[in-house]
Order: sequence, then C-alpha cells, then structure tokens
Amino acid sequence: AQRVTQPEKLLSVFKGAPVELKCNYSYSGSPELFWYVQYSRQRLQLLLRHISRESIKGFTADLNKGETSFHLKKPFAQEEDSAMYYCALRPNRDDKIIFGKGTRLHILP
Amino acid sequence: NAGVTQTPKFQVLKTGQSMTLQCAQDMNHNSMYWYRQDPGMGLRLIYYSASEGTTDKGEVPNGYNVSRLNKREFSLRLESAAPSQTSVYFCASSDRQTSYGYTFGSGTRLTVV
Repeated sequence: AQRVTQPEKLLSVFKGAPVELKCNYSYSGSPELFWYVQYSRQRLQLLLRHISRESIKGFTADLNKGETSFHLKKPFAQEEDSAMYYCALRPNRDDKIIFGKGTRLHILP
Repeated sequence: NAGVTQTPKFQVLKTGQSMTLQCAQDMNHNSMYWYRQDPGMGLRLIYYSASEGTTDKGEVPNGYNVSRLNKREFSLRLESAAPSQTSVYFCASSDRQTSYGYTFGSGTRLTVV
C-alpha cells in the first residue's frame, strides 16, 4: 500500500541549528513528492516539489529512491520556521495526494 | 487572485443540526477535495471530485455528503452533526495536468457541542 511516514510528531530545534524533518514513503514506482507547510492557524501551502529541485525559504529536500526518503533540510533554523510540515506523495498525475501525519517544528530561541 | 475560498471560517453547531460548508476555486481546476484535520491524525480525505459531475468517497466519508455544483464549487454537507465531527475542514483543488499539487483553502473550524 502507498504510505507516507513522518516518524516525528514534534521536533524542537534551537534557532541557528540545522533542521532535518524526516519523510519516508512506500511506493514501488516513481512518485511525485511534496512538502507542505502550515503556519499557525493558516492554510496549507506548498513549500517544495521534488520535481523542481528548488530551495524555498532556505529549505531543500532530496529524493532518495534507494532509501525511499524525501527528508526536508535547512542548515540554520529561524524562529519563523515554526510550523506544521506535511510530506506528501502522488503516485502519478491522475492520483490523489497521500499525506503523512505531519511533524510540528518548534524553533527554540 | 482568490485561489480557493471557503465559507464560513468558524461555526458552532449543536448535535443533530445540519450545515453546508462551501468551497469555490477560481483557477479552473478539474479536481476538488475535502479534508478534515485533527491533532495527531494529519489530513484525512473525506470526499473528492475528480471532475465536474463526479464525486467519490475518501478515507472518512461517513456522516458527510458532497455536491459538485459546477466546475468552481464543491460543497460538503453534514446532515446530522455529531461531536466527533468537531474538526478543521479544508477544501483543496488541483490541476492534474501540472506538478503543483493541491491549492488549499483557509479552512473552516467547526465545533459540534
């Protein structure tokens, strides 16, 4: 079955420290992978797509097909990074997106 | 550019009351979705509509009905609200021809007492 696993419900990191939010997926093909971010009481926003290989707000994510992972990284955390982060998978363009349960990132001052 | 608009933003219902959550998108997207968001449960798909005129059940459809009124609008109805339906509800839309995933609305915070 297709599944997205985010093993950490809560991740607390000091300001200026590196951040890594883990995401593993189960799917045998070549899916599209996304990271969505939700700031306090706001809508979910697309942060990154693996297909674009871009850096947004200092965050990057590399698709590792061998490990079936798509971890989100940032070298130096900022307080405004505190939010809920969802990893998501779409098996192919015609399918629905499957979301992980989310990781709450808390940046400590 | 409004994107996805949901109304209302907040609602308190008594058990057994009914209500309809409205969602409209102005991006000419074919597909629309309703999710509920609960602490520790992430996002769970209630219903979706792959295209105008079609609707399908998601992961947690019990207690809900939907209507895809036209290409722009996709409403979610609670016929007889229960406290277990207290949640934040998000509508989303997508164009499956692109790689941009979903665009979400701002959510409806529903409390059933």
